[in-house]
Amino acid sequence: ETGVTQTPRHLVMGMTNKKSLKCEQHLGHNAMYWYKQSAKKPLELMFVYSLEERVENNSVPSRFSPECPNSSHLFLHLHTLQPEDSALYLCASRNLGRSIEQFFGPGTRLTVL
Amino acid sequence: GQQVMQIPQYQHVQEGEDFTTYCNSSTTLSNIQWYKQRPGGHPVFLIQLVKSGEVKKQKRLTFQFGEAKKNSSLHITATQTTDVGTYFCAGEDRGGSNYKLTFGKGTLLTVNP
Repeated sequence: ETGVTQTPRHLVMGMTNKKSLKCEQHLGHNAMYWYKQSAKKPLELMFVYSLEERVENNSVPSRFSPECPNSSHLFLHLHTLQPEDSALYLCASRNLGRSIEQFFGPGTRLTVL
Repeated sequence: GQQVMQIPQYQHVQEGEDFTTYCNSSTTLSNIQWYKQRPGGHPVFLIQLVKSGEVKKQKRLTFQFGEAKKNSSLHITATQTTDVGTYFCAGEDRGGSNYKLTFGKGTLLTVNP
């Protein structure tokens, strides 16, 4: 256990569905990240939130919508996804200014039919 | 943008053999980090290297950071089946933000007992 939890762990959705991924960190960190991990590709940074403010948006399609209501919670809202969006979505957190280590959650395995 | 290349992509060894993975960045790094991801798991932080030419050891693992701070390596001596997993390097760009890591594609290590 790294102190970062993600739900659900597995998700199957159709292209017309709307779903949300949730991440919670219990470490008192001040930055949170969403990554996408696909087969044969590097970890792709999607979004970064520092002190609840989005500081990075790596040209991610608008069908992915992040939300960070407070420093402990991070959401990724999904709608009208494509089959190529199927991947492992990893959340991570870090204590900016104190530590360089990123703590990853277990991930949500997403399948888009 | 910054790119981090990692080779080899796959490595299969007999238990007891040594293993090395190499990482090269297109830009000078402020630091480099190594993570390990077990099959079905999530990335877990191993170590950070900051200084030019730095060498760090963790039991059978030896990490090196190049003099130019653009390349790094991870060497495992006498591999064991518990070493199985994907090893990622991740770099923080010296000229970039201090919250963003660029990951290599990783090297998948399999060990034959």
